[in-house]
Amino acid sequence: QSALTQPASVSGSPGQSITISCTGTSSDVGNYNFVSWYRQHPGKAPKLMLYDVTERPSGVPHRFSGSKSGDTASLTISGLQADDEADYYCCSYAGKFTWVFGGGTKLTVL
Amino acid sequence: EVQLVESGGGLVQPGESLRLSCAASGFTFSSYPMNWVRQAPGKGLEWISNIRNDKDNTYYSDSVKGRFTISRDNAKNSLYLQMNSLRDEDTAIYYCATDSAWSFDSWGQGILVTVSS
Repeated sequence: QSALTQPASVSGSPGQSITISCTGTSSDVGNYNFVSWYRQHPGKAPKLMLYDVTERPSGVPHRFSGSKSGDTASLTISGLQADDEADYYCCSYAGKFTWVFGGGTKLTVL
Repeated sequence: EVQLVESGGGLVQPGESLRLSCAASGFTFSSYPMNWVRQAPGKGLEWISNIRNDKDNTYYSDSVKGRFTISRDNAKNSLYLQMNSLRDEDTAIYYCATDSAWSFDSWGQGILVTVSS
């Protein structure tokens, strides 16, 4: 149950696009299309932004999109806004009703 | 509106026990598997336990297996986490979260557990 690997930080200017990668193994990300992404503002609970790699829950803007290739999943945020500044976590189902999170990525909107 | 409210946190000494509760409302609690996820101070999220909606099947991360027990009372719309043999490294904010489509779609506000002598 090793954590998924995410970059510690990414940054972008308002209006730009950024991509956050999430690398796992053939036992988690590479084996299941059950990757989800969470946004967490300081002092707040996480919020689900994407599930099943590409699916957006109701209310999440189309600016948020996801993809997966092999053992690596990615979150892309287009049209960056100030409120997007937060920590982002990926998560993958790892089989036998267990899950593994990434270490988190701090997104700074310049 | 889905609401999850954790309670029962606090300061305990290493080796002691604590029981967390999560009161659920706004959805059919008995239909959803539930989870506990924790976050150590300044650190990332860590999934620690899952219970299926039939409450007979439970699952744990290696870090808590054998020390923590997840349970639920569908009649009371409540989720629990019994934490025994607590260690310094169990210090964290503990969140309960619903399990839908293999992701965690609703979260409580979290409750702080501090293990320190």
